[in-house]
Parts: sequence; C-alpha cells; structure tokens
Amino acid sequence: KAGVTQTPRYLIKTRGQQVTLSCSPISGHRSVSWYQQTPGQGLQFLFEYFSETQRNKGNFPGRFSGRQFSNSRSEMNVSTLELGDSALYLCASSLLAGERGSYNEQFFGPGTRLTVL
Amino acid sequence: GENVEQHPSTLSVQEGDSAVIKCTYSDSASNYFPWYKQELGKRPQLIIDIRSNVGEKKDQRIAVTLNKTAKHFSLHITETQPEDSAVYFCAASIPGNTPLVFGKGTRLSVIA
Repeated sequence: KAGVTQTPRYLIKTRGQQVTLSCSPISGHRSVSWYQQTPGQGLQFLFEYFSETQRNKGNFPGRFSGRQFSNSRSEMNVSTLELGDSALYLCASSLLAGERGSYNEQFFGPGTRLTVL
Repeated sequence: GENVEQHPSTLSVQEGDSAVIKCTYSDSASNYFPWYKQELGKRPQLIIDIRSNVGEKKDQRIAVTLNKTAKHFSLHITETQPEDSAVYFCAASIPGNTPLVFGKGTRLSVIA
C-alpha cells in the first residue's frame, strides 16, 4: 500500500506571496492532519480534516487554511507569506476517526520544505 | 488542553550503552502515547506506542513504560547503535477527535 505523499517537496517563495501544498493520504485513511516543523519547536499542529470537515485547529493565524476533498486528499494554503513561515510542513493520515475509545495512530508524509525569502 | 514536555533535548551515548528519553503530560484523560523517530531529512516514523491500559511494552531493543499516576512515559533504547541516531518525538492523545500533542523532540547521538 502506498504511503502518504506530499507535493511539492520543495518550494521557494518571497514575502507576500501565497502557497498551496498538497497531501494524499494512505488509501482508506479519512483523517489528514497538518503540522509545521521548525528547528527547536518540534511539530506544531495546524489543523485536522476528516470527511471534508475541519475537526480541529491549532493556534495559527488565519493566513493558514486548508481543505479536504471527497477522495480525502487535502491541501493547505498560506497567504501573505512571512519569513517566519519558512519550515517543513508535514501531513499525516490516520485510519481511525478518533472516536472515543479509538487511537490516533498517524503516518507521516515526507513533507514540503518551504523557504520564504 | 494537553501539554507534553520532553527531556532531554539532546542526548549523546556511546555505542552499546542505553538511552532513556522521558516525557510528561498534563491531561490525565490521555490514553495513547506514541513515539516517533525522525532521521535527518526524513519523515517521522512511528517506532512504538503504548495504550493507557498497559504499563510497559517492548519491541526488540526498544521499550516504553507508562506511569499513569505520575503522568509520565519513557522510551528506553538498549544496546544503542549508530543507526539509532535521530530525533525522537513523544506524543499524547486524549480519546475522541482530538489531535496528537507532541513533545519538542530529543536529538540522540550514538557515538561509535
């Protein structure tokens, strides 16, 4: 079974531009979570989508948004890029919906490294 | 919400020695505790996890222990090898549709 894929793998943008990142989950997985990874800050949760609905949102400004399609593929968008947005953006897919009593085992994609100049 | 603290942030050990990484969590309702390994330039990969109804779990040279009373869990790696060098992340999750909360990571260096 194919793993989680992300495109593009690398992006270079300038301040003020916007960017769209894509994530394709493992087949059958309906939950997709997005994380920002920067040195020293670990994995910071952005948002999670399940069945095309945003279920959870982290503490990021409104410039960060996302969506999920009916085939579970997800995109995240960052508008008005700032230098501090330079990071590795990881998505993770999960089979279980997170209902009470289930577990949130996640599988990560390779990430998109965004550089903002 | 849940908060996860991870220590140490860096750890160097001699090849063959043991390594221990510790995490504490704040929400007693958390019931799922995975550990991820991230090698340089690669994606985080799940290496072991533990549920709150289990106190210890082993998989070859790695083990995880959970103390629900103290709200902490630890990763133990025995007979370390150079290929164990990586950043390790712990995480915790509350039942229901809540996200995993990660610690800030431990950079483990195994010196040959």
